[in-house]
Amino acid sequence: DQQVKQNSPSLSVQEGRISILNCDYTNSMFDYFLWYKKYPAEGPTFLISISSIKDKNEDGRFTVFLNKSAKHLSLHIVPSQPGDSAVYFCAVDSVGYSTLTFGKGTMLLVSP
Amino acid sequence: DSGVTQTPKHLITATGQRVTLRCSPRSGDLSVYWYQQSLDQGLQFLIQYYNGEERAKGNILERFSAQQFPDLHSELNLSSLELGDSALYFCASSAGQGDEKLFFGSGTQLSVL
Repeated sequence: DQQVKQNSPSLSVQEGRISILNCDYTNSMFDYFLWYKKYPAEGPTFLISISSIKDKNEDGRFTVFLNKSAKHLSLHIVPSQPGDSAVYFCAVDSVGYSTLTFGKGTMLLVSP
Repeated sequence: DSGVTQTPKHLITATGQRVTLRCSPRSGDLSVYWYQQSLDQGLQFLIQYYNGEERAKGNILERFSAQQFPDLHSELNLSSLELGDSALYFCASSAGQGDEKLFFGSGTQLSVL
């Protein structure tokens, strides 16, 4: 059973608009959440994280929102740029020691 | 460049064979993690080592084993390979203190024919 679900395999957005990527998790005991970005032929790279004591964390164009009651995480990218086109993975630190459980990813395509 | 080096980048082998994937962590990182990414799956955690000792285990098959050496590089050994083992295998490293980001290598693409 998937502990982390990204229900949208893909998302297309126009340059300059907002991209919203969503993630749902099953276990209310998870306390650390992360987003990774992956370009083809490269490994995933860390983007932004949030701990369960917060409901929002912002880093430049990227903001992560955490809704603990709904067990829902979202990543907002504003404004979206063509270089943001990549696969985005949601992850939780489910075991501790930074052993991450990942969702299946959402492919974001930002068109000019 | 994440600073994590994985070799080889590509590996093609036959069913029943054994292969070894190698990972050099970022300088100073004590923890090494192995992940598997199959076609329809996200990244599946396999195993973690910290300073030479196994720290956490995920859904790693008994046919697979790993170790971390005194110089902190790690090897993932896959034996009795099956077609379903074809996947992208990633290594990641971190300082190992917990609640921290992982740095991933660019992966080894394994094709079992």
